[in-house]
Amino acid sequence: QKEVEQNSGPLSVPEGAIASLNCTYSDRGSQSFFWYRQYSGKSPELIMSIYSNGDKEDGRFTAQLNKASQYVSLLIRDSQPSDSATYLCAVSGLNTGANSKLTFGKGITLSVRP
Amino acid sequence: DGGITQSPKYLFRKEGQNVTLSCEQNLNHDAMYWYRQDPGQGLRLIYYSQIVNDFQKGDIAEGYSVSREKKESFPLTVTSAQKNPTAFYLCASSIDSGLAGSNEQFFGPGTRLTVL
Repeated sequence: QKEVEQNSGPLSVPEGAIASLNCTYSDRGSQSFFWYRQYSGKSPELIMSIYSNGDKEDGRFTAQLNKASQYVSLLIRDSQPSDSATYLCAVSGLNTGANSKLTFGKGITLSVRP
Repeated sequence: DGGITQSPKYLFRKEGQNVTLSCEQNLNHDAMYWYRQDPGQGLRLIYYSQIVNDFQKGDIAEGYSVSREKKESFPLTVTSAQKNPTAFYLCASSIDSGLAGSNEQFFGPGTRLTVL
């Protein structure tokens, strides 16, 4: 049974701070890693994908992957109140076929205080 | 406008009724997925389809059925056999070509089903 674990929340940070969201996964064969943002009552929105060890930056977001430790994280710099949402970590195997199915963590709710 | 549409946005069902949720995409994606989300829970996979006229059960397929007669459409039927159907239902699609990044899944706006 593939598992994806996220820190239990909620996480609260002041505006302008760095928010750090963490995720661990059980399947060592996982190849693809995703972060989704979900506002209350809305559907998830893909904000970051990462496939190789190291960091990947996109604007204020940085995804970090460490396959040896089976750990993926999302850093949000200069946090804004509009970043307040639930963040879902998702993991999958190969890029296609049955192994492309995503396994989701339960999500962590981030609250950015003005 | 390219995207994924789901209808209806809200659906109310009486116990013992079957209901069908619509999912349509014009992204030319090969793969489509149905998830269920309960409060405070992550997404759980119900069914997925990687090609027309073929689909596979996900982790919680009991009480659900699907069809994939067209590439663009992947309707989900919630049958009376599903004991706890009240949930937020999300449809997603991906290119699924085998190339890097092709398994990124994009979601529709969702259907919120309530059993009365």
